[in-house]
Amino acid sequence: EAQVTQNPRYLITVTGKKLTVTCSQNMNHEYMSWYRQDPGLGLRQIYYSMNVEVTDKGDVPEGYKVSRKEKRNFPLILESPSPNQTSLYFCASSLSRGDNTEAFFGQGTRLTVV
Amino acid sequence: DAKTTQPNSMESNEEEPVHLPCNHSTISGTDYIHWYRQLPSQGPEYVIHGLTSNVNNRMASLAIAEDRKSSTLILHRATLRDAAVYYCILRDKVYGQFYFGTGTSLTVIP
Repeated sequence: EAQVTQNPRYLITVTGKKLTVTCSQNMNHEYMSWYRQDPGLGLRQIYYSMNVEVTDKGDVPEGYKVSRKEKRNFPLILESPSPNQTSLYFCASSLSRGDNTEAFFGQGTRLTVV
Repeated sequence: DAKTTQPNSMESNEEEPVHLPCNHSTISGTDYIHWYRQLPSQGPEYVIHGLTSNVNNRMASLAIAEDRKSSTLILHRATLRDAAVYYCILRDKVYGQFYFGTGTSLTVIP
């Protein structure tokens, strides 16, 4: 089954404690991205990757890092989480960056930073 | 920056057709129009996309205005499982970014 898998689904952590949210896709997609969803603001892109070893900032990259060492994995790293990073996070992948391709989204990771 | 405008909410009776409108007056000639929906506690799910011509698939139909400045997602017979937030999106063709607005929250009344 084609899917994007995020882990964990839920996470409560304390300010400053480094964490990683993993994202993996099984469709050999080139393009992967991370979004955060906040009430009243919709989904906003954090980082994206057009292919292995190619990553770039989205609209809200501050406080986040990513890496793309393998095509299937695109982890999101919070080096020193803060309460304003409490949010619902989604990973997405698509065949390419082209606008004629369907994107697949993960189930989401609900992060709470206290 | 959201490039589309949608009503905040709509209601429909079960088993009746639903027309969800979207305005995208700044659309460029090569922008595809995408629709996704998000059910409660889930990630966005692809519904349909198109460029100029009307499109049909098993989930819905997409009607695109001749000037491409607006489009309408049509659910032919709404079911309770169609209750969701529906997003009309123009995908950035250079960086691949989806610009999500706040979408239309569809309520289906039994």
